[in-house]
Amino acid sequence: GNSVTQMEGPVTLSEEAFLTINCTYTATGYPSLFWYVQYPGEGLQLLLKATKADDKGSNKGFEATYRKETTSFHLEKGSVQVSDSAVYFCALSPPGGSEKLVFGKGTKLTVNP
Amino acid sequence: DSGVTQTPKHLITATGQRVTLRCSPRSGDLSVYWYQQSLDQGLQFLIQYYNGEERAKGNILERFSAQQFPDLHSELNLSSLELGDSALYFCASSVTGTGNTEAFFGQGTRLTVV
Repeated sequence: GNSVTQMEGPVTLSEEAFLTINCTYTATGYPSLFWYVQYPGEGLQLLLKATKADDKGSNKGFEATYRKETTSFHLEKGSVQVSDSAVYFCALSPPGGSEKLVFGKGTKLTVNP
Repeated sequence: DSGVTQTPKHLITATGQRVTLRCSPRSGDLSVYWYQQSLDQGLQFLIQYYNGEERAKGNILERFSAQQFPDLHSELNLSSLELGDSALYFCASSVTGTGNTEAFFGQGTRLTVV
């Protein structure tokens, strides 16, 4: 079946540190891959996405590259800010046309000043 | 603001009761999804409706049901509630029900069963 595994954290970093949150997936065929972010008390917001192998999604300084050979979609940011503190979810949309999302368990990031 | 409205924001009810959660999608979005977020299970897809018709079903219990009305708002009905049903329930909407269009999430309804 389809599944997503991401490092669960929590992750605590100092401002301007480098961030990596690992995400690997299992799927038949070629899914679309997403990173969603959930700020405290809010719903999920799409952060970035990639729909085919070797695509790089980027937004707000965050990047992730769709790696078919390693079935990975790791999230990176070169210099985190306190405002990046949130829970980050890796997700996939199975191939075949449905948009239902399969989520990882989420990684809580805290950035200290 | 995602444009997806969920009511109520919080709900506290007793075991055995029935509740209805409501979702208004973004203007123009035809597809509505329901997700359950709990500490032990994470985010689980429950059900999807597209333009009034059920499109996909996930890990939705038989005690739960949903529908999408002609004005495209959706309701999730939870009955015979158990303590384990306590969770955050999210609604999301998107323009289409296929492809890779972005899903926009509401702020959720926090259900507490006591």
